[in-house]
Amino acid sequence: AQSVSQHNHHVILSEAASLELGCNYSYGGTVNLFWYVQYPGQHLQLLLKYFSGDPLVKGIKGFEAEFIKSKFSFNLRKPSVQWSDTAEYFCAVNANNAGNMLTFGGGTRLMVKP
Amino acid sequence: DVKVTQSSRYLVKRTGEKVFLECVQDMDHENMFWYRQDPGLGLRLIYFSYDVKMKEKGDIPEGYSVSREKKERFSLILESASTNQTSMYLCASSSPGQPNQPQHFGDGTRLSIL
Repeated sequence: AQSVSQHNHHVILSEAASLELGCNYSYGGTVNLFWYVQYPGQHLQLLLKYFSGDPLVKGIKGFEAEFIKSKFSFNLRKPSVQWSDTAEYFCAVNANNAGNMLTFGGGTRLMVKP
Repeated sequence: DVKVTQSSRYLVKRTGEKVFLECVQDMDHENMFWYRQDPGLGLRLIYFSYDVKMKEKGDIPEGYSVSREKKERFSLILESASTNQTSMYLCASSSPGQPNQPQHFGDGTRLSIL
């Protein structure tokens, strides 16, 4: 079974700092990759997804993620964070042989100081 | 826009009670999912369903059951609630077909078992 690791459980940044959240998965086959965000008191929302093509995908609110197949990674980045980016971020993986099932990482809680 | 509605935001029950968590989606999605969300563990899949009256176990089905009598409604049942089932429960739905279709989440039900 696949697993997903998010290395940082808590990240604290100042506004305008650059962000990179790590995500690694353990599955050797074809995968579909997602980042979800959960703002305080709100439901999970899709930030971006990768399923084929250009390994650098752009999502909403200036976020992007790069799929590096050789490293089994799908790190999330944003060049300049804002206070409104304070949220919990979840990486999720769907293996091509797992139907529509997702395996989630443990989440990274980001706090951006104003 | 897809709407996934969970019947309660907060619920408090006693040990041994039978607990029902309800979820309704309005987009005619065939796939529906129940997760629990715990700090540091991310989202873990309890059960999912690909169609009416159809259910499949996820990663942590013990102590839970589900019911899918109508396409739009997916219920999670705690047969005899225990304190280790205190958690945030999230329902999600997605359209069938390609596995890269994102899941849409409800606001969650925070369940406390006393």
